[in-house]
Amino acid sequence: KQEVTQIPAALSVPEGENLVLNCSFTDSAIYNLQWFRQDPGKGLTSLLLIQSSQREQTSGRLNASLDKSSGRSTLYIAASQPGDSATYLCAVRATYKYIFGTGTRLKVLA
Amino acid sequence: EPEVTQTPSHQVTQMGQEVILRCVPISNHLYFYWYRQILGQKVEFLVSFYNNEISEKSEIFDDQFSVERPDGSNFTLKIRSTKLEDSAMYFCASSVGTTYYEQYFGPGTRLTVT
Repeated sequence: KQEVTQIPAALSVPEGENLVLNCSFTDSAIYNLQWFRQDPGKGLTSLLLIQSSQREQTSGRLNASLDKSSGRSTLYIAASQPGDSATYLCAVRATYKYIFGTGTRLKVLA
Repeated sequence: EPEVTQTPSHQVTQMGQEVILRCVPISNHLYFYWYRQILGQKVEFLVSFYNNEISEKSEIFDDQFSVERPDGSNFTLKIRSTKLEDSAMYFCASSVGTTYYEQYFGPGTRLTVT
């Protein structure tokens, strides 16, 4: 049974720092992996989608990598800003459904 | 840019009542999904729907739940007799294809059962 874990559960950093969020999954047979952002009480904003054949995707200050064989993905945020404060979720797709991790709650201090 | 919409944004209902949550997927999408997120917990898959049939469902999706595409644009989730533990945020999603295609999520409906 696929399980998705995100470490750390919470992270607090000063503005301007580069940071890495981690996502691990137990079954490497996935079609893709997606990173989302969720603000408190709000919906899911898609950040990056990485197909199983890809190693990384970039969008602005965000870079996501995927190592399927080791069951790991990282989300790198460059030059963090207070507006980046949110919960970041990773989700893997093995069949029709996404399986989500528990998220990393990020706070960027001004 | 096309987006998935959901109504209502917040629904309050009494235990035992039936509720219908509505979603309008992106117009050329063929695959539809419902997920839920209990406060403070993971987003959990409920059901996927394609060609007017359920293609996959989780253990959560028991006989109290049903889905329907009543017309060419809406996709609904019905909970027949709500329980307190059904209180959650319910997300609808849609995709143009399966497996390798991105799922686009709606803003969610917050269901509160009292």
